[in-house]
Amino acid sequence: ELKVEQNPLFLSMQEGKNYTIYCNYSTTSDRLYWYRQDPGKSLESLFVLLSNGAVKQEGRLMASLDTKARLSTLHITAAVHDLSATYFCAGSNFGNEKLTFGTGTRLTIIP
Amino acid sequence: GAVVSQHPSRVICKSGTSVKIECRSLDFQATTMFWYRQFPKQSLMLMATSNEGSKATYEQGVEKDKFLINHASLTLSTLTVTSAHPEDSSFYICSASPRLTFGSGTRLTVV
Repeated sequence: ELKVEQNPLFLSMQEGKNYTIYCNYSTTSDRLYWYRQDPGKSLESLFVLLSNGAVKQEGRLMASLDTKARLSTLHITAAVHDLSATYFCAGSNFGNEKLTFGTGTRLTIIP
Repeated sequence: GAVVSQHPSRVICKSGTSVKIECRSLDFQATTMFWYRQFPKQSLMLMATSNEGSKATYEQGVEKDKFLINHASLTLSTLTVTSAHPEDSSFYICSASPRLTFGSGTRLTVV
């Protein structure tokens, strides 16, 4: 059974700073996903990582995947207030799209 | 892009009544639909997987007689919460495969 752990659970950071959210998973995962969720809203897809060493970047966010370490990271560069949200990683295996989500990281960017 | 419409977005119902939530794929055929539940400030937990024309598969601990899922067509899946109680109050989100697109979510409050 796939298990996904995320840390930290809460992250408060100042604008302009850099930080990383970590996502560890327990067994082989075909794909690793990152989502953003704003309060009261559904999920917004950020990245899908398919293979070892995959790195994807969009704006101030960059995600990477290390399948050997069973670790994915979401790096935030020069944070801005608009990035305040809850971020989830999720994994899937056995070739289906049934997702197991991490606990989420509630990110607050302080001006 | 792929769009999944979920209705209603919010519903308040009295304890003991039933509520139906609809999830429609608007521009693609969804062979599989996933239903997730998210309690306040928690992660998403998979409730069940439904395939068009067949019975849903429920995750451990989810009562199939309480959460009725119907996936009668390739574009529509419904989740009916029967005899709802306050502890069923939650945010329910569907996702449709093969495009892995999430609906906008339904906030259910049982009073």
